[in-house]
Amino acid sequence: DVKVTQSSRYLVKRTGEKVFLECVQDMDHENMFWYRQDPGLGLRLIYFSYDVKMKEKGDIPEGYSVSREKKERFSLILESASTNQTSMYLCATGDVPMNTEAFFGQGTRLTVV
Amino acid sequence: SQQGEEDPQALSIQEGENATMNCSYKTSINNLQWYRQNSGRGLVHLILIRSNEREKHSGRLRVTLDTSKKSSSLLITASRAADTASYFCATDGVIQGAQKLVFGQGTRLTINP
Repeated sequence: DVKVTQSSRYLVKRTGEKVFLECVQDMDHENMFWYRQDPGLGLRLIYFSYDVKMKEKGDIPEGYSVSREKKERFSLILESASTNQTSMYLCATGDVPMNTEAFFGQGTRLTVV
Repeated sequence: SQQGEEDPQALSIQEGENATMNCSYKTSINNLQWYRQNSGRGLVHLILIRSNEREKHSGRLRVTLDTSKKSSSLLITASRAADTASYFCATDGVIQGAQKLVFGQGTRLTINP
């Protein structure tokens, strides 16, 4: 079974903190994605990566950065957390090309206070 | 920007009835996928249909694709209470030469016993 593991299910951070969300996959997939999910807005792509050390901005990259030092690990970084970044964050992985299914982690519910 | 848009946003039916959800998208695709999300969890892949296919079945699921109208539908037959979830369509897109997966806003399906 493919496993996509996100480091935390629930996280509470203070405004201004630097926050790291980690995602690890065990399927040797090239593609990895970070989405945020908000009510009524569906899943919005923040960043994605198609190879080690490669990254591309998605639709809403502002306030975020990413790191992919190893193929199996894709980190999302909130440089200075703000309350409007309170959300559900979902990591996904998939093969290249994306003509097969993507696999999701269980999600991280982040609350910024 | 969102590629796929689901319709309706919410659907409530009685157990045993059929549920139909629609998805429209804007640009050319190689494939379209449907995912399911139970409350507060990650997404699970249901079915993938390629651009050269018109219909696909998987158990109680039936997916159609009309590339001329840029639309797809997901039919769940003989619905069960356990089908209560949110359903998302996703299309493959290319940005700066890299493939990504773009999701719609989802349809919230409630099956009443």
